[in-house]
Amino acid sequence: GQSLEQPSEVTAVEGAIVQINCTYQTSGFYGLSWYQQHDGGAPTFLSYNALDGLEETGRFSSFLSRSDSYGYLLLQELQMKDSASYFCAAPPRAPNYNNNDMRFGAGTRLTVKP
Amino acid sequence: NAGVTQTPKFRVLKTGQSMTLLCAQDMNHEYMYWYRQDPGMGLRLIHYSVGEGTTAKGEVPDGYNVSRLKKQNFLLGLESAAPSQTSVYFCATHAGLGLTGELFFGEGSRLTVL
Repeated sequence: GQSLEQPSEVTAVEGAIVQINCTYQTSGFYGLSWYQQHDGGAPTFLSYNALDGLEETGRFSSFLSRSDSYGYLLLQELQMKDSASYFCAAPPRAPNYNNNDMRFGAGTRLTVKP
Repeated sequence: NAGVTQTPKFRVLKTGQSMTLLCAQDMNHEYMYWYRQDPGMGLRLIHYSVGEGTTAKGEVPDGYNVSRLKKQNFLLGLESAAPSQTSVYFCATHAGLGLTGELFFGEGSRLTVL
């Protein structure tokens, strides 16, 4: 089964800040990736944390703590267009670890309200 | 550049029929993946390839076969389609996960098995 756990749904209002958490059970030194997917569309890459700490890309930031097997995606100044599903992704846990094998969490559906 | 192209985009099959999905990429990427996406399940890895002539099983490989005869093409085959294989199928590629963690996705192929 999935070794990446995310909340299934999050709701927030325009202009707010929302954090989407991801707890994972993987091994190795590969980090955590985040993807966005709008309804009917393909997933698109948002960010990648190779090392512990915070990565910032515009309104989106992502954080990783490998010691806690935990990461999050932070979306600031929410806009209506941010309504989408968000997925964290990483290789599977040992003994099946293979850094070419990319697994996804079940996704968090974000709804942004006016 | 087209990036990652999937054909066909829509297909309806009867139980027991066979078909092949084609993924073509023009980015010269070594790594290619086939995922399926069902409502509430996120993306699940079916098979992947780390280079021409290689294939490997992912999380849900049963009922599917793949081939990577040419670097730019990754084929996903269903020998005897079943209703449980009704899903949206995504192909993805990357140059090397350790570099940026970014997978590039095709637009998806919606398959319905009656």
